[in-house]
Amino acid sequence: GAGVSQSPSNKVTEKGKDVELRCDPISGHTALYWYRQSLGQGLEFLIYFQGNSAPDKSGLPSDRFSAERTGGSVSTLTIQRTQQEDSAVYLCASSGGLADASVQYFGPGTRLTVT
Amino acid sequence: QQQVKQSPQSLIVQKGGIPIINCAYENTAFDYFPWYQQFPGKGPALLIAIRPDVSEKKEGRFTISFNKSAKQFSLHIMDSQPGDSATYFCAASMRGATNKLIFGTGTLLAVQP
Repeated sequence: GAGVSQSPSNKVTEKGKDVELRCDPISGHTALYWYRQSLGQGLEFLIYFQGNSAPDKSGLPSDRFSAERTGGSVSTLTIQRTQQEDSAVYLCASSGGLADASVQYFGPGTRLTVT
Repeated sequence: QQQVKQSPQSLIVQKGGIPIINCAYENTAFDYFPWYQQFPGKGPALLIAIRPDVSEKKEGRFTISFNKSAKQFSLHIMDSQPGDSATYFCAASMRGATNKLIFGTGTLLAVQP
């Protein structure tokens, strides 16, 4: 089946503008994660959704960042009043397949550039 | 305690060589250690993973060696090929509410023909 998809693939925005990034997880996967990958860095956990449980927001770097997951499927990561330090690749992953719930499958990411 | 330290930052080997990438962790609650491979412009893809109840796991040309007492694990790529040139990330997670992955900083591998 289809993998994790993300849109847009690239986003250039001006400092101070709001942006929305979208993630479509693998069908049937109950868990969804957002990570951030800054240039030359590893991946940094942002937020986790599991079914109808309250999300784990412990990785969000500031209150300008928020995310929601509607209907247990599609997720949107919103960054308000973007800053230059928000420039990074934002990666979404999903897990929860029958074979191994630990395996996280990543999408191709959204490259965000804040000018 | 949540960090995973990865080395080297970059690595160049000749075709057929055996690159080795090392990772170390502090949190003994970690119980799942995957390696991800990432090509430019793509998301990371799971390569191989190990749990601490075994000391070694092989899948094709890729081997994880795990030393629980030293809190270290490493990736070996046998008979490396130019197509293996990519960035490799180790990670760790603990069984629990989120299974969130804590990633190392990555190793850029170049396999020269």
